[in-house]
Amino acid sequence: GDSVTQMEGPVTLSEEAFLTINCTYTATGYPSLFWYVQYPGEGLQLLLKATKADDKGSNKGFEATYRKETTSFHLEKGSVQVSDSAVYFCALSTARQLTFGSGTQLTVLP
Amino acid sequence: GAVVSQHPSWVICKSGTSVKIECRSLDFQATTMFWYRQFPKQSLMLMATSNEGSKATYEQGVEKDKFLINHASLTLSTLTVTSAHPEDSSFYICSARDVETGDSSGANVLTFGAGSRLTVL
Repeated sequence: GDSVTQMEGPVTLSEEAFLTINCTYTATGYPSLFWYVQYPGEGLQLLLKATKADDKGSNKGFEATYRKETTSFHLEKGSVQVSDSAVYFCALSTARQLTFGSGTQLTVLP
Repeated sequence: GAVVSQHPSWVICKSGTSVKIECRSLDFQATTMFWYRQFPKQSLMLMATSNEGSKATYEQGVEKDKFLINHASLTLSTLTVTSAHPEDSSFYICSARDVETGDSSGANVLTFGAGSRLTVL
């Protein structure tokens, strides 16, 4: 079945540091890939998405590129802020449903 | 943009009582809504797919008699936790997909509610 494997956290960075959260997937066919963010006490918000190979999703300084050859969709940000502290979920979708990774807790210290 | 509202956002109840959680799509219609359960520091687990006008489809291992789902209209789905017990304490999140506009790329983009935290004493 479909699955998403995320880098385990928690990840703690200083403000303005570079962020990478690794995500790889297993799926039949050609899924769409997503990153969702969950701030403390809130539901999930779509951060960015990519629907086909080599697509790059970007939003709020975050980027991720759909790499079919490595089945990866790593999340990156060049300079994190304290306000980026949250849990980040990688996900893939097929026609039926969304499959989530286990989530990575990010804490950014001032 | 699309907004999904969940109510209540936090509920505390006694063991043995039933609790109803509502999920509403505020500015779009959703023939399909999804209910997830999230344990502390864990990922979301899909519980069931709620279909307007028909029975919900439950994931393996989810008790349909305990977690009653009703999708009576294109903008409302409800999850009722019956005879709640402390082990049912969790964060329940719903999501919905806009049937009218969907996503121009064809991706299965869902809008999530803010979640409902259930604590059973």
